[in-house]
Amino acid sequence: EIVMTQSPATLSVSPGESATLSCRASQSIGSNLAWYQQKPGQAPRLLIYAASTRATGIPARFSGSGSGTEFTLAISSLQSEDFAVYYCQRYNNWPPITFGQGTRLEIK
Amino acid sequence: EVQLVESGGGLVQPGGSLRLSCAASGSTFSTYWMSWVRQAPGKGLEWVATTNQDGDVKHYVDSVKGRFTISRDNAKNSLYLEMNSLRAEDTAIYYCARDYFVGTTFYHDYWGQGTRVTVSS
Repeated sequence: EIVMTQSPATLSVSPGESATLSCRASQSIGSNLAWYQQKPGQAPRLLIYAASTRATGIPARFSGSGSGTEFTLAISSLQSEDFAVYYCQRYNNWPPITFGQGTRLEIK
Repeated sequence: EVQLVESGGGLVQPGGSLRLSCAASGSTFSTYWMSWVRQAPGKGLEWVATTNQDGDVKHYVDSVKGRFTISRDNAKNSLYLEMNSLRAEDTAIYYCARDYFVGTTFYHDYWGQGTRVTVSS
């Protein structure tokens, strides 16, 4: 089974700065990757699919990149509402569908 | 606006059963794959089950196979998760999610707010 590993577990960044979150697959998944944002007490929200395509209504400060086994979610000019937990999800050759363990983005 | 509203969660003893429901509105329910995703307390997201538009294709995570059944009623715009032989490790918030599945691209584009299931004696 393909394992998704996110790093770091927690990232501390100041508002206005940029953040880079990583997601690594234990074997190649092509571009079959999505990113979700989850705020405390809320349901997850789709940010990115196909590794780099922003979902409807997602601000341009969110960008996804990568293919194969290495993926990145970059967030520029961090706003207060961006501090949350972020999950990657792979969907190649599913089932199963698997999520990474999450990266908590916190205010520095 | 797409809305998904889960219900049916609660406290159940180990070995017991529970049926979750998800009422969908704001889109043509019968044209979408649908999934259940859960989140144990303080933990990450775990995909549980997915079904196709007609409900005749069903996929499950290994840990629930033989115990959980996903189903849908397109006439009622509703998705269900029948959970039997519940274990403490099934304790989680269960989210209903609408799926986009075209070609090799699959993702959950809308989520409900979740319903909490607690398995404890």
